Amino acid sequence: GENVEQHPSTLSVQEGDSAVIKCTYSDSASNYFPWYKQELGKGPQLIIDIRSNVGEKKDQRIAVTLNKTAKHFSLHITETQPEDSAVYFCAASIDYGQNFVFGPGTRLSVLP
Amino acid sequence: DVKVTQSSRYLVKRTGEKVFLECVQDMDHENMFWYRQDPGLGLRLIYFSYDVKMKEKGDIPEGYSVSREKKERFSLILESASTNQTSMYLCASTGGVYEQYFGPGTRLTVT
Repeated sequence: GENVEQHPSTLSVQEGDSAVIKCTYSDSASNYFPWYKQELGKGPQLIIDIRSNVGEKKDQRIAVTLNKTAKHFSLHITETQPEDSAVYFCAASIDYGQNFVFGPGTRLSVLP
Repeated sequence: DVKVTQSSRYLVKRTGEKVFLECVQDMDHENMFWYRQDPGLGLRLIYFSYDVKMKEKGDIPEGYSVSREKKERFSLILESASTNQTSMYLCASTGGVYEQYFGPGTRLTVT
């Protein structure tokens, strides 16, 4: 079955710097890759996603890139702000989001 | 606005007790999911349901059961709670494809 790895497990950056989180997946049939942000005391919330027929997607300060050949995808956050501090989860789906396998999460801390 | 609610934010139960975790969504979604979240392990799927009275096992169903009598409600049941079921439990729903909407979670402690 699908396996999703995520690195790093923790990440600290200075406010204004960029942050990059990387995920690899094992099933080449995966076709949908969302990123979720989980703030303290809340459930995960979708922040950006990418489908397998697209290589990159941007939404203001966040972007996701997908390399299907290498089976990895990355989250990029530019101009980080303290409110970006949270746990970020990547996920992969082989059925367009009916079911997911999640990565273990990355705890991002943005230091003022 | 999309909403998934869970009956309790925090719950403390004793070993051997029967525990019910309730989840309700107001989006008329067909699909509902129960996950367990543990540090370093991410979200692991316990059970999911594609329709009323239907259920499918996820990756870690042992020790759990579910009930879906109405479309908007999906219940997770721990028949006899054990300490290794201490965890954060997250409910989610989806209308079919793409985004899953999550509830706020229930932090369950079994003593």
